Amino acid sequence: GIQVEQSPPDLILQEGANSTLRCNFSDSVNNLQWFHQNPWGQLINLFYIPSGTKQNGRLSATTVATERYSLLYISSSQTTDSGVYFCAVERYGNKLVFGAGTILRVKS
Amino acid sequence: GAGVSQSPSNKVTEKGKDVELRCDPISGHTALYWYRQSLGQGLEFLIYFQGNSAPDKSGLPSDRFSAERTGGSVSTLTIQRTQQEDSAVYLCASSLDGWTYNEQFFGPGTRLTVL
Repeated sequence: GIQVEQSPPDLILQEGANSTLRCNFSDSVNNLQWFHQNPWGQLINLFYIPSGTKQNGRLSATTVATERYSLLYISSSQTTDSGVYFCAVERYGNKLVFGAGTILRVKS
Repeated sequence: GAGVSQSPSNKVTEKGKDVELRCDPISGHTALYWYRQSLGQGLEFLIYFQGNSAPDKSGLPSDRFSAERTGGSVSTLTIQRTQQEDSAVYLCASSLDGWTYNEQFFGPGTRLTVL
């Protein structure tokens, strides 16, 4: 099956810093989503981005489908950005395959 | 409702008992999914319902797991004869139609603990 690798596995930032999270996948995909799992366990949708670039406030994402990777940019990080960031891809059959996640801690 | 809802939020059960977990998808969403999140396995797909089609059960880990979806809306995941390795957070998701636009939205999950 398709493999999804996220890097880095964990990251500590000072408030106000910028960061880039990466997601590599091993085959072509129909769907790619980025999620933020907050400390209460809720998965919050960030981007639905099988290709191209999207921006939402301080967050933006780029997926280069032909090269099988996606990047999530967080600018001017805040303590509320802390949590786990997951990349998930769908190759076929509408099943999302998740990466192991990046644990982000933003210090004030 | 405004989002995917799940109940109960927490369930503690004894090994060997049966449990039922409930999911209410976003109103109007025809596709419904179950996943589980455990420390050892991460987030993994369990089962997928699309309209009146036969469900995709390819992710169910054993025949002790089953799910149904009544009336194209509410779904129940049943685990029979629970084992300690079933302890996990069970997450439900829904999407608009599962075909043309398949962004999945997740509920808050049910944390299952098997003693």
